[in-house]
Amino acid sequence: KNQVEQSPQSLIILEGKNCTLQCNYTVSPFSNLRWYKQDTGRGPVSLTIMTFSENTKSNGRYTATLDADTKQSSLHITASQLSDSASYICVVSGPGGTSYGKLTFGQGTILTVHP
Amino acid sequence: DGGITQSPKYLFRKEGQNVTLSCEQNLNHDAMYWYRQDPGQGLRLIYYSQIVNDFQKGDIAEGYSVSREKKESFPLTVTSAQKNPTAFYLCASSRDGYGYTFGSGTRLTVV
Repeated sequence: KNQVEQSPQSLIILEGKNCTLQCNYTVSPFSNLRWYKQDTGRGPVSLTIMTFSENTKSNGRYTATLDADTKQSSLHITASQLSDSASYICVVSGPGGTSYGKLTFGQGTILTVHP
Repeated sequence: DGGITQSPKYLFRKEGQNVTLSCEQNLNHDAMYWYRQDPGQGLRLIYYSQIVNDFQKGDIAEGYSVSREKKESFPLTVTSAQKNPTAFYLCASSRDGYGYTFGSGTRLTVV
């Protein structure tokens, strides 16, 4: 069964600190991996999308890494801000291509940034 | 501004009642999707549509129905056959199957 597991389930950090979120997946074959940010009561917003040939991609203070051999990805947040408080979701696209809706979602990591 | 609009933001359903959630996009995207989100779980696909007048069941279609009469619209009906409908519902659209745009969601509660 294709799965996406994220850790930790929740994380609390102080403003200005860095943090790293983890994502392990078993989806195979693999097309691409996405990280989304979801604010409470809102829809997810895309942060990064990586294909199997990419091992790192940045979007401002967000940097995602991908190791397709070990089927692991991480999202590193630098110099956290209060507005980073949200759920971060790892999503893996498998066979059939994304146009067929073949996305497997992780359960998300809830990040809370305290002043 | 282009985007995807879901309405209402909050919806309350009585036992045995059908309710319809609206999803409209002005992005000229061909594909549209409905997902259900429960606490502590990943999003699960309910239905998807790649072209007008055509749609496919996702992983948890039982108790739900959809229509795609217009490219811009993909309403979801939660029927009385759905025994546990309380959840956060998200609509999404995609042009090329690569980039997804999500709506802001509808929170459905059974009262």
